[in-house]
Amino acid sequence: KNQVEQSPQSLIILEGKNCTLQCNYTVSPFSNLRWYKQDTGRGPVSLTIMTFSENTKSNGRYTATLDADTKQSSLHITASQLSDSASYICVVSGYSSASKIIFGSGTRLSIRP
Amino acid sequence: DGGITQSPKYLFRKEGQNVTLSCEQNLNHDAMYWYRQDPGQGLRLIYYSQIVNDFQKGDIAEGYSVSREKKESFPLTVTSAQKNPTAFYLCASSIGRSDEQFFGPGTRLTVL
Repeated sequence: KNQVEQSPQSLIILEGKNCTLQCNYTVSPFSNLRWYKQDTGRGPVSLTIMTFSENTKSNGRYTATLDADTKQSSLHITASQLSDSASYICVVSGYSSASKIIFGSGTRLSIRP
Repeated sequence: DGGITQSPKYLFRKEGQNVTLSCEQNLNHDAMYWYRQDPGQGLRLIYYSQIVNDFQKGDIAEGYSVSREKKESFPLTVTSAQKNPTAFYLCASSIGRSDEQFFGPGTRLTVL
């Protein structure tokens, strides 16, 4: 069964600290993996996308990694800011129909001053 | 100013009533999607459309209906057959099925 599991479910860190969010997936065959940021009550916004051949991608203070062999990805946030408080969603796409786009349940990150 | 819009932002419905959620995009995207988001769960696909006048059921289509008469518009009707409709509904669009999806701001539906 195609699944995307994210951990931790929630995380609280102090402003300025770093953190890492995890995503494990079983989607096969694999096409790409995206990380989205979703502010409360808003739609998700794409942060990064990685295909099978890529193992790291950065977007400002966000760095995503992908290990296609172990089917794991991480999102590292450096020098966190209050505006980083949001849910971070891992989305894995396989080939074939749109129903093979699997969303993780997200990690809710809270940045405290 | 290109983007994807949803209306209304908040919607209240009495049990037994049908209600239609609007989704419009001016990104010239062929593909459009409707998702449902419940607390603590990942987004679940309701319906998607890859081209005008064609749409496919997603994982949780029961109690919902859609139409795609225009490329820019993909309205979702929540019917009285949907037993637990209270949720946050997100519309998205993409150039093609495999491309990045751009999301609207969402509609929060509450059944009273």
